[in-house]
Amino acid sequence: DAGVTQSPTHLIKTRGQQVTLRCSPKSGHDTVSWYQQALGQGPQFIFQYYEEEERQRGNFPDRFSGHQFPNYSSELNVNALLLGDSALYLCATNQTGPEAFFGQGTRLTVV
Amino acid sequence: AQSVAQPEDQVNVAEGNPLTVKCTYSVSGNPYLFWYVQYPNRGLQFLLKYITGDNLVKGSYGFEAEFNKSQTSFHLKKPSALVSDSALYFCAVRDGSSGTYKYIFGTGTRLKVLA
Repeated sequence: DAGVTQSPTHLIKTRGQQVTLRCSPKSGHDTVSWYQQALGQGPQFIFQYYEEEERQRGNFPDRFSGHQFPNYSSELNVNALLLGDSALYLCATNQTGPEAFFGQGTRLTVV
Repeated sequence: AQSVAQPEDQVNVAEGNPLTVKCTYSVSGNPYLFWYVQYPNRGLQFLLKYITGDNLVKGSYGFEAEFNKSQTSFHLKKPSALVSDSALYFCAVRDGSSGTYKYIFGTGTRLKVLA
């Protein structure tokens, strides 16, 4: 049983560009959350998707958007990248229990 | 508002000795509490949770945590530390009463187990 998988593992983008990160949930998990972890910090909640809709959103600007597909996989899109968007982006998935299971993350570097 | 505090940036302990990593929380409703561990360049691995019931919860790799409602604490413990336990540990809280789904994480505590 594969766990939560994220792609790509690393990428480098230039300021002003757009990026799409992808997440495939653990088998049977229907809820996907995205977190941003800056260097030396704890993860910060971006948003959560359930039944293909954004269910809750954290304090992130509209440049951050997402999507959930019928197979429960999800994408995180970030437009107009800033240097401060450099971080580890983590996907977390849930089924019925409250504990979330995390992927290995995507390390985004904006130059 | 929810918050989590991990007062120690780093904890050093000798191999074989007991370890404690501290966490205090603030939440207006019922706390759902979690501990996660992060190894270098990896995501977070779930260790254990407290939702309700017995205040002492047992998790993976011999870790346990004690929920103390009066002190709003949820300290992570292990009776005998291993060098392989060296990693970054995060405490997280979710308000189980408010309908929110987001976790609030602490800033993390780096555990170093010395051989």
